[in-house]
Parts: sequence; C-alpha cells; structure tokens
Amino acid sequence: GAVVSQHPSRVICKSGTSVKIECRSLDFQATTMFWYRQFPKQSLMLMATSNEGSKATYEQGVEKDKFLINHASLTLSTLTVASAHPEDSSFYICSAKVQGKMNTEAFFGQGTRLTVV
Amino acid sequence: GEDVEQSLFLSVREGDSSVINCTYTDSSSTYLYWYKQEPGAGLQLLTYIFSNMDMKQDQRLTVLLNKKDKHLSLRIADTQTGDSAIYFCAEGLSGGYNKLIFGAGTRLAVHP
Repeated sequence: GAVVSQHPSRVICKSGTSVKIECRSLDFQATTMFWYRQFPKQSLMLMATSNEGSKATYEQGVEKDKFLINHASLTLSTLTVASAHPEDSSFYICSAKVQGKMNTEAFFGQGTRLTVV
Repeated sequence: GEDVEQSLFLSVREGDSSVINCTYTDSSSTYLYWYKQEPGAGLQLLTYIFSNMDMKQDQRLTVLLNKKDKHLSLRIADTQTGDSAIYFCAEGLSGGYNKLIFGAGTRLAVHP
C-alpha cells in the first residue's frame, strides 16, 4: 500500500509550549487527511478532517484554536498543539487518502506519542 | 451515539486460533474493518467486510459479522508470534468523509 510518514514519532515538551506534528503522504496526493487521538486504553478518536486548501472540519468537543490543522499541500498536513498542557499528552495519528476514495484506501502514519511535562 | 467496543487484551498459545471480538452501535455502518498495529508502525488494514455479508475468509483470517447483534469478530487461525500486535476494529459510517469509528484496540500476545 501507499506510505504515510508521520514525524516526530515521540516528543516531550514543556507545559505552555507548542508542538507541531507532520503527516506526509510519500507516494500519492492526499486530498483528505484525518487526525486522531488516543488516550491510554481508550478508542482512537477522530479529531478533525482536513481537505487540501480548505479549513479543517473539527469533531464536536475538539478545540480548533488549540489543535491547529494546516493542509496547505497535497502531500503535507500539520497538527500544531498550541500551548500544550499535561492533559494533551496522548498518542496522535494521521491518515491520508484521496478524496472520494474508500476507507480501504486510507493509509495511516505510525503515530506520535506526545508527552507534556 | 457511535461507539465501538472491544476487549483490551488477549493471550494465546502459538498454533492456536485467536478470536478477537468487537461490538458496534451504528446500524448504518457500510463497512467494518480490522486494522493491525505493530510497535512503532502505523495502522495497517488487515481486512474488511461489507455490512450485507456475514462472513469473509482471507487465508488465515476469518471475519464474522452478526448484523442483528452488531457483533464483529476476527479469527486468526494457527496464530504465530508475528501476529502479536494491537488489533483495532472500526466501523465506517456512510456519508460525508466516510468517518471511521474505532475501538480501543485489543493487544494480542502470542506465547510459545
């Protein structure tokens, strides 16, 4: 299948700082990217859906001013956790697909473990 | 609301069959999926089943769907140590961006 690369795989940051996570589709043009978050022993929760060139659609309860998503190109989406706090510590994972394609053709990054101290 | 539940841990002996169970709530799901995640890697689509099917077999994998009870299972025959991973069940909702609702994942541990 296609390759989606997520960077960094792990990050530790101080409370109050901002952290940027990148999601790149390496061998296809991803018109749609999804960002998920997983707390320990809980489900992988969809945070937002972004389409290239337009504003992201956030799920209910996700603060768009805190989780800034930029999808400026067909191969790159970024998630910035603004002013991170310990409760933002979680596993963040992206997936990418061509808009209109089925979920069987959505490919996942390896995830980013964020720890805020 | 939409919810997918699965047990968190399963331990099996090498060579035995593993059965991972999942329940979901949304009856409008079009497809149901099983993903595998190995350490440090992304989720890999293992198999999926269309909601109007009740069984799908793919080599060592068998997916059973009981739509009435909203119950999905994944059976891995002749489980090997390389099957040790986290397995996620997901339901695909119709419409929009075909949102996926995931369970918490079942950690499968295969021991000799």
